[in-house]
Amino acid sequence: QKEVEQNSGPLSVPEGAIASLNCTYSDRGSQSFFWYRQYSGKSPELIMSIYSNGDKEDGRFTAQLNKASQYVSLLIRDSQPSDSATYLCAVRDSSYKLIFGSGTRLLVRP
Amino acid sequence: GAVVSQHPSWVICKSGTSVKIECRSLDFQATTMFWYRQFPKQSLMLMATSNEGSKATYEQGVEKDKFLINHASLTLSTLTVTSAHPEDSSFYICSATRPAGVTDTQYFGPGTRLTVL
Repeated sequence: QKEVEQNSGPLSVPEGAIASLNCTYSDRGSQSFFWYRQYSGKSPELIMSIYSNGDKEDGRFTAQLNKASQYVSLLIRDSQPSDSATYLCAVRDSSYKLIFGSGTRLLVRP
Repeated sequence: GAVVSQHPSWVICKSGTSVKIECRSLDFQATTMFWYRQFPKQSLMLMATSNEGSKATYEQGVEKDKFLINHASLTLSTLTVTSAHPEDSSFYICSATRPAGVTDTQYFGPGTRLTVL
């Protein structure tokens, strides 16, 4: 059973702080990793994709991948109240399906 | 990012009727589309994988005769909930894969909220 694990939260951070969201996965052969943001009542929105070990930065977001540890994370710098949402980690399997974690709820306090 | 549309965005129907939901990729051709269902405060549940020109592949526990999927073209997939019942009320979301080899990316439609009375 391929699994993607996330802490459900909520993770509460003050405005302007760095939010760190973590995810582990079980399938060592996975090659593609994604972070989606989902606001309440809305569908998921792609934030970042990462395929190689190391860091990938896009604006205030940085994705980090460590395939040896089977660990992927998302850092959000200068967190804003509008970043409050559920963040879904997803790993693509060999049949091109996305295996989703249960999501981490982030609350950014003004 | 890529644009995927869904229609309708919400629908209310009576028990026993059928409802069709359309999913379109607007700016790319999607060889593969996926259909998900999400109940309140739960994560996405994959229902089926839809490939253009072939039969959909359903996940375990999803009734293929109840949830009919048609992937008529590279830009359109439809999900028909047949003989809907109140327990089918949920948020249905499609996604389309922009093909790019290893860097294929799934983009989600805005979702369709189904309420069965």
